[in-house]
Order: sequence, then structure tokens, then C-alpha cells
Amino acid sequence: SQTIHQWPATLVQPVGSPLSLECTVEGTSNPNLYWYRQAAGRGLQLLFYSVGIGQISSEVPQNLSASRPQDRQFILSSKKLLLSDSGFYLCAWSVKAGFTDTQYFGPGTRLTVL
Amino acid sequence: AQSVSQHNHHVILSEAASLELGCNYSYGGTVNLFWYVQYPGQHLQLLLKYFSGDPLVKGIKGFEAEFIKSKFSFNLRKPSVQWSDTAEYFCAVMKTTDSWGKLQFGAGTQVVVTP
Repeated sequence: SQTIHQWPATLVQPVGSPLSLECTVEGTSNPNLYWYRQAAGRGLQLLFYSVGIGQISSEVPQNLSASRPQDRQFILSSKKLLLSDSGFYLCAWSVKAGFTDTQYFGPGTRLTVL
Repeated sequence: AQSVSQHNHHVILSEAASLELGCNYSYGGTVNLFWYVQYPGQHLQLLLKYFSGDPLVKGIKGFEAEFIKSKFSFNLRKPSVQWSDTAEYFCAVMKTTDSWGKLQFGAGTQVVVTP
């Protein structure tokens, strides 16, 4: 069966520091991968998606970037964190069934920027 | 722009009460519809989904949802809730014409079931 891992689970970082969040998927090949952010009292907002290694699309302009160095690895990064980057970051995957298949979510990383 | 509206941000009800959570979306084309649930301390997980066919779909844990195309709605229901249904519930919509399956989420509804 497929599983999705994210780490770290929680992170407290000072403003201006770099960020690297990692997501890995097991049990499937060539998945679509997604990064979402959930801010308090708001729904999930899609940040990035990837259809393959090295292929990243950004949904909204922001202080963050994403990379996919391997088929089942998706990384969210920032060179300098802002207070507004605080939130709950979720990685998700789906099979390539015309892009209309269900997305499955990881456990998330809670980021607090102080 | 497409949007997804969940009518209630917080719902408090007693065990055995019936639950209905509203979800409306603004996109006029063909959509796939989802309800996700996030139990305290757990992953966001799929509750049920609608792609096509019977507009009344049944999900896990006794939940069901009805797609009413004319009303652009996909309301979630459960006839009799349990304390374990305490969670946050998210409605999500995906345009079938999207080339990469973007999910548009509602803001979520926090449901608290009291014993």
C-alpha cells in the first residue's frame, strides 16, 4: 500500500532563516505531488504541484520554492522565512489518472516563524 | 474566480443528533467533489467523493453526500453522530478541465460532538 511521509512534524524557525520541508511517497511510481498550506481558520491553499522529476508549477507567487529531485520526493524550501509563512504544510500525492484522481495527504508539518 | 463555501465554521451537537454540513461552489462546469476529514492529531483523509453517476454517494463511517447540480451544492450528512465524529471537515472541488487536478478547498467546518 501507498504511504506518504513528511518531516519534520513541527518546526519553529526565526524570521529570515532558511527552510526545508521534505515529503516522500512510498508504494507508487511517478505520482503527481502537491504542497498545500493551511492557515488558521482557512482552507487549504495549493502552493506547488509537480507531475515529474524537475517539473514544478507554482500556484501563487510567494516566498517559497519547491523541488522534486527524485520521483517520490518533494521538497519545500525558503531562503528567508517571513512571519506570514507560519502555518500547517501538507504534502499530497495522486496517481496520474487524467489528473482527476483522489489526492492523499501526508501528516503535515506545523511551522511557526517567530 | 472559482470558490468553495462552507456555510458553518463551527458546529456543536450532541451524540445521536443528525449532522448536515453545507458546501457550495461557484464553478459552472463539470466538477469532481470531495469531502475530507481531519480528526484531532491525524492526517487529512478522504471521507467520500463524487466523480459521476448516482448523485448520492456514501462514504466511510456512515457519512453520505448529495450532489445537486442545479444548486451547485454537495452537502454532507450523517443521520446519527458519535463523539468520535469530532473533527474538522473540508469540502473540495476539482474542475475536470484542469490539466493537473487542482483542488479548491472550503475554509472547513469544525464539528464538536458532545457526549
